[in-house]
Amino acid sequence: GAGVSQSPSNKVTEKGKDVELRCDPISGHTALYWYRQSLGQGLEFLIYFQGNSAPDKSGLPSDRFSAERTGGSVSTLTIQRTQQEDSAVYLCASSPTSEGQPQHFGDGTRLSIL
Amino acid sequence: AQRVTQPEKLLSVFKGAPVELKCNYSYSGSPELFWYVQYSRQRLQLLLRHISRESIKGFTADLNKGETSFHLKKPFAQEEDSAMYYCALSTGFQKLVFGTGTRLLVSP
Repeated sequence: GAGVSQSPSNKVTEKGKDVELRCDPISGHTALYWYRQSLGQGLEFLIYFQGNSAPDKSGLPSDRFSAERTGGSVSTLTIQRTQQEDSAVYLCASSPTSEGQPQHFGDGTRLSIL
Repeated sequence: AQRVTQPEKLLSVFKGAPVELKCNYSYSGSPELFWYVQYSRQRLQLLLRHISRESIKGFTADLNKGETSFHLKKPFAQEEDSAMYYCALSTGFQKLVFGTGTRLLVSP
């Protein structure tokens, strides 16, 4: 595709359930990033991948959050035992490399925890 | 710690008026600064970056290391400039630290 694709676009789930969010980066982009945007907050960095490895996981808010990337392409962000404070828009971005290249963002997944 | 501050949540101007969206940063190293924009019902997109020193859609931004600022300016605002603007700081590994954003509203 022409841009970063994220699915689902919206997800509503009950507190305590696990959720998986998917990101398809732009083809050929080796760097992939996850951010979170909570109501009234700026974008908060979660995790960064270079290829399939994640050299920077510093932004993951708790051990309920994990992410993986396979084949240097698709990434999945998993949130276990969701809490209401996890409600946010989760944005994925990719860039050709990690060296001074601008990031291209997807439309995000709006996650609502009931 | 790295931090980006955008002091204004909302900036409302009339068409044709000058616009300045403020951004201040805190970073001990050599920063790379960006402005991202999100128009209504569109995805977040890069507007400009300081190393390019270019003007996009009439907007410019100059990095002032002495004042640790990267304010976004446009001499004559247009209605289509209405959007959410985010200032962001890159600290070397391309992890972006974002400000909380400023909503620009340009009225006719």
